[in-house]
Amino acid sequence: DAGVIQSPRHEVTEMGQEVTLRCKPISGHNSLFWYRQTMMRGLELLIYFNNNVPIDDSGMPEDRFSAKMPNASFSTLKIQPSEPRDSAVYFCASISGLAGLTDTQYFGPGTRLTVL
Amino acid sequence: AQSVAQPEDQVNVAEGNPLTVKCTYSVSGNPYLFWYVQYPNRGLQFLLKYITGDNLVKGSYGFEAEFNKSQTSFHLKKPSALVSDSALYFCAVRDLYNFNKFYFGSGTKLNVKP
Repeated sequence: DAGVIQSPRHEVTEMGQEVTLRCKPISGHNSLFWYRQTMMRGLELLIYFNNNVPIDDSGMPEDRFSAKMPNASFSTLKIQPSEPRDSAVYFCASISGLAGLTDTQYFGPGTRLTVL
Repeated sequence: AQSVAQPEDQVNVAEGNPLTVKCTYSVSGNPYLFWYVQYPNRGLQFLLKYITGDNLVKGSYGFEAEFNKSQTSFHLKKPSALVSDSALYFCAVRDLYNFNKFYFGSGTKLNVKP
């Protein structure tokens, strides 16, 4: 199994530009999570999907952030327009949801975003 | 609501000494607790979990965690630390209403010095 795949691994952009981060969850997993990690705020849950449907987006900072999951094997997190304070590492994670309480989340390697 | 707290931002220990990384939890029902490790420039990796049963849980890389219901704690331990254990450690608790959702602590940076 390839694990959770994220692309790009690094992204450097200028303020005001649109940024799209991509995630491919583990095959067969039915829930997907987007997290943001910064030194100041630690690990924050932005949004999560169950069976491709957004369940809770209360962690999305503002309207500049949007996320989609058009199918079970792909999700995007978009920032438009980007701002320097969006600089962070963005993680995608997935979980099977079929193993009950013994299941655990699996994290991708992250995308390090720098907004200049 | 469920939550976990990691009271120490950083823990320093000498190689070969035992280590403890602390975690306390707040859960309205039975807690389902996890530990994850994050190495530099990597995503979080699962270490171990407590669902039910024995209070001492054994996990990867020689780590174990002790569940203590009376103290609402789930401390991570290792009898003999290695320099390679230096990393960021996260405690997490499962949401009781949406089992797929986890609440993570703020993380504790473990430094193991040779």
